Amino acid sequence: DSGVTQTPKHLITATGQRVTLRCSPRSGDLSVYWYQQSLDQGLQFLIQYYNGEERAKGNILERFSAQQFPDLHSELNLSSLELGDSALYFCASSPGLLDEQFFGPGTRLTVL
Amino acid sequence: AQSVAQPEDQVNVAEGNPLTVKCTYSVSGNPYLFWYVQYPNRGLQFLLKYITGDNLVKGSYGFEAEFNKSQTSFHLKKPSALVSDSALYFCAVRDMFRINDMRFGAGTRLTVKP
Repeated sequence: DSGVTQTPKHLITATGQRVTLRCSPRSGDLSVYWYQQSLDQGLQFLIQYYNGEERAKGNILERFSAQQFPDLHSELNLSSLELGDSALYFCASSPGLLDEQFFGPGTRLTVL
Repeated sequence: AQSVAQPEDQVNVAEGNPLTVKCTYSVSGNPYLFWYVQYPNRGLQFLLKYITGDNLVKGSYGFEAEFNKSQTSFHLKKPSALVSDSALYFCAVRDMFRINDMRFGAGTRLTVKP
């Protein structure tokens, strides 16, 4: 158990809908990262927050957004969902900016 | 931008034999290198990292990795493989000039046969 929690574990929704994925980092970790893992794209970095501020953006679509709250938990919002958005979404946390990341168990999103 | 390649999709070894999972990288500055393992239906678990110092890095579960700057490689090794080592292994790299952006390789599936 990494200490990173993600909810929900599974999410099934329809095209065009909007969902919110939630992540609680390990106690004391200030950095939160979001990744998408799919069979054809592999593990893709989406976005990083550090102590409430956005620090880096990867291959994140404009339909997706995220934020980190004062208590350091983070939410990833996915809107206008498409079939291709079906994937595993991982959250990871680390104490700072250079440290190794600790991954949550992931949220499996299925868009029908 | 930094990138990392894992040239083998699949590696098969017999239990008790040494294993190597290959990784090469490309960065502008000095690399920060990581290995992670993913078991079925689980998140990634950190194995080891190279930031600076000794080129041979020891990590969890008996794994080690050798940083080779001239060959831009960071291969993962273990002297004696276990069946329980069977999993998906990811190499990752950060570039000192783009420190917030970690790039992962496509992953190598390791199968250890009894």
